[in-house]
Amino acid sequence: GQNIDQPTEMTATEGAIVQINCTYQTSGFNGLFWYQQHAGEAPTFLSYNVLDGLEEKGRFSSFLSRSKGYSYLLLKELQMKDSASYLCAVRDSNYQLIWGAGTKLIIKP
Amino acid sequence: IAGITQAPTSQILAAGRRMTLRCTQDMRHNAMYWYRQDLGLGLRLIHYSNTAGTTGKGEVPDGYSVSRANTDDFPLTLASAVPSQTSVYFCASSRTGGDTGELFFGEGSRLTVL
Repeated sequence: GQNIDQPTEMTATEGAIVQINCTYQTSGFNGLFWYQQHAGEAPTFLSYNVLDGLEEKGRFSSFLSRSKGYSYLLLKELQMKDSASYLCAVRDSNYQLIWGAGTKLIIKP
Repeated sequence: IAGITQAPTSQILAAGRRMTLRCTQDMRHNAMYWYRQDLGLGLRLIHYSNTAGTTGKGEVPDGYSVSRANTDDFPLTLASAVPSQTSVYFCASSRTGGDTGELFFGEGSRLTVL
């Protein structure tokens, strides 16, 4: 079966750095997405990786290792507004998105 | 403001009743999707449409139907609601079919079936 694993919940301090991991086992691979979802709101796109390596976008970076079936989202200089759930999704060989259950990130002052 | 509009935002429904969730986008995206989101689970695809006039089944299609008469509208119908269909429903769109790009989501419709 296809599976996306992410930690259920993480806590970090304002101003710090946090790394949210995602491991996947899917039927083929055609890209990995990270989305942010604030409580009671819609998911919004953060990043997309299809090749190995690090993609940096401001305070957020996303890393991919296809051989290890592994990705992480790195958030720097944490702000209170970063408190949200972070969803990892993998596009399989049929171009269908397989979603993880999400990681709830709690930021403390 | 361009985007996706869903209606209603929230609804309480008696079991056995018929319900249609509406979804309209004004971005001229070809592909549209319906997902449900339940606590502790990832988003699950119910139905999708790669282009107007075509639809396909996702991971959890039973009890749901869709239509795509034009590019902008993609309604989801529950023919006879059951309590297990209590969920938050998200409509989404992308420029092309096959999930080749970023998804844009509506604000969600929270449905409670009693």
